[in-house]
Amino acid sequence: GENVEQHPSTLSVQEGDSAVIKCTYSDSASNYFPWYKQELGKRPQLIIDIRSNVGEKKDQRIAVTLNKTAKHFSLHITETQPEDSAVYFCAASKSNGGYNKLIFGAGTRLAVHP
Amino acid sequence: ETGVTQSPTHLIKTRGQQVTLRCSSQSGHNTVSWYQQALGQGPQFIFQYYREEENGRGNFPPRFSGLQFPNYSSELNVNALELDDSALYLCASSLVGSGDTQYFGPGTRLTVL
Repeated sequence: GENVEQHPSTLSVQEGDSAVIKCTYSDSASNYFPWYKQELGKRPQLIIDIRSNVGEKKDQRIAVTLNKTAKHFSLHITETQPEDSAVYFCAASKSNGGYNKLIFGAGTRLAVHP
Repeated sequence: ETGVTQSPTHLIKTRGQQVTLRCSSQSGHNTVSWYQQALGQGPQFIFQYYREEENGRGNFPPRFSGLQFPNYSSELNVNALELDDSALYLCASSLVGSGDTQYFGPGTRLTVL
């Protein structure tokens, strides 16, 4: 069935370092890959997304890469700051212009230490 | 601020009871999806509503049902509550044809005793 695996489950870095979170999806028909940040007690917040016709996308300190052949995508955060500390979720879906079911990974708890 | 709102914020029920959760979509959005997020896990897709009809469902039993209204707001109903139904229930709204980006509400924390 549809599945998204996410690694690592926890990640601890020093402020200013880079953080990388990796996800693998099972359904080769997946074509949309969002990343959400969820702070404790708050809603998941979309931070970046990528579609299958693009290999890489950047937004300031955040970038996402997609390898369709290997069916994996990664989130890269550079120059990490304490406010980046949160749980990050990757997701995959096969958007068909109407029905869009997001399959989420189990999450990565990122801790950025000053 | 994304504009998706949910009510109530918290709810405590006992086994066997029924519950209704509500979601108002972001202005201009016509699709609402519901997710269940157990503690320490990623959200799990329950179902999606578009044009007042369910157009997709995850692996949840029929006692999970929903509605979408003409103003695109939505309800999630859960009958015969079980202890394992304790979770954060999230709704997300999106606009068909806009790339399917889903924006989440703050969630309703349901505790079943």
